[in-house]
Amino acid sequence: DTAVSQTPKYLVTQMGNDKSIKCEQNLGHDTMYWYKQDSKKFLKIMFSYNNKELIINETVPNRFSPKSPDKAHLNLHINSLELGDSAVYFCASRPRVGTNYGYTFGSGTRLTVV
Amino acid sequence: TQLLEQSPQFLSIQEGENLTVYCNSSSVFSSLQWYRQEPGEGPVLLVTVVTGGEVKKLKRLTFQFGDARKDSSLHITAAQPGDTGLYLCAGNPAGNKLTFGGGTRVLVKP
Repeated sequence: DTAVSQTPKYLVTQMGNDKSIKCEQNLGHDTMYWYKQDSKKFLKIMFSYNNKELIINETVPNRFSPKSPDKAHLNLHINSLELGDSAVYFCASRPRVGTNYGYTFGSGTRLTVV
Repeated sequence: TQLLEQSPQFLSIQEGENLTVYCNSSSVFSSLQWYRQEPGEGPVLLVTVVTGGEVKKLKRLTFQFGDARKDSSLHITAAQPGDTGLYLCAGNPAGNKLTFGGGTRVLVKP
């Protein structure tokens, strides 16, 4: 199936731990994103990569570090997890930079920090 | 204050009724997109509207882009339980950042 795939689907971890979320798309898209959805369902952009190059870096704590080994993969590593990091994280992709292209989202990773 | 304001935040209706969801901004957008998100899943693109005044139909869903390209609406005719979900409007105010509205949660009761 052509899709944006995220792993894991659920992640429960203790404060202070370091964790990673992986994302892969087989759509041949150039641009990938990480979004965070809070408990009120508001989606906020975190990072964007275009052909492995970081093009958007919102005001996200330095504990969050994205990595794109190739244009089909965008991973998110989080250091020293805090309670406030609990949220659903979505990976997304679109064909290329341009305002009218639709985004394809993964099914999300629900991160719970205890 | 969000760049895109959606109203209402929540809508509960009976199957067969009609509903309208609004997405408003003080900024001009070159295009707006509508997504539907179901529990446990990511948002799924429904439509992109590009031209001011444009109307697009997707079965029982009608999308309209305001003439000034600052607002959009989604109208569902004869809603069905399968229409239940979180409806999100989104636009690119500048460059490559898709910005979302706060969403409208729609519940269609059988």
